[in-house]
Amino acid sequence: EPEVTQTPSHQVTQMGQEVILRCVPISNHLYFYWYRQILGQKVEFLVSFYNNEISEKSEIFDDQFSVERPDGSNFTLKIRSTKLEDSAMYFCASSDQFGETQYFGPGTRLLVL
Amino acid sequence: GESVGLHLPTLSVQEGDNSIINCAYSNSASDYFIWYKQESGKGPQFIIDIRSNMDKRQGQRVTVLLNKTVKHLSLQIAATQPGDSAVYFCAENEGSNYKLTFGKGTLLTVNP
Repeated sequence: EPEVTQTPSHQVTQMGQEVILRCVPISNHLYFYWYRQILGQKVEFLVSFYNNEISEKSEIFDDQFSVERPDGSNFTLKIRSTKLEDSAMYFCASSDQFGETQYFGPGTRLLVL
Repeated sequence: GESVGLHLPTLSVQEGDNSIINCAYSNSASDYFIWYKQESGKGPQFIIDIRSNMDKRQGQRVTVLLNKTVKHLSLQIAATQPGDSAVYFCAENEGSNYKLTFGKGTLLTVNP
């Protein structure tokens, strides 16, 4: 069964450093998303991406964040200068042409020290 | 404030019993709802969905009920098994294809 994959599974970084989280969405999907989940809290929407541009973004997704689809398979989330409060699980998701059922990857656990 | 919330943060049931997990939403414009299961250290796993033009949908051992009058969503799990132990989230799509809004989650514990 096709699934969303994410790398790395864990990332530890120093405050102020740049991180890039990588995702490979399900191959025939057209809509891509990033969410985050701070430990013990609910899943929060960050950004959605369709047709090579951002469709919608939340207040969390400020100028420190960016997304890119560098090729036909990868979808990345970059945090330019990490802050302590960026520590969370980051989930990538994708959905099919109907853009509704979103399938999630296993997540990247980011720890900013 | 939150547009999606859960009545019960924890639910403990005996193996073989039926489980009911509830969710309230406040956005009447929401037209699509999903239940996800999240096991420890993993991503949300799709369980079942329902559109606003339906009030009930059944899957394998799971049923989702939607009451638009009181803006309430529930997930029923029949013959609950230890493998069902997880956090369950409801999520809503507010009329767009571009994001889901999640509730807080309910921790379901199944006792053998």
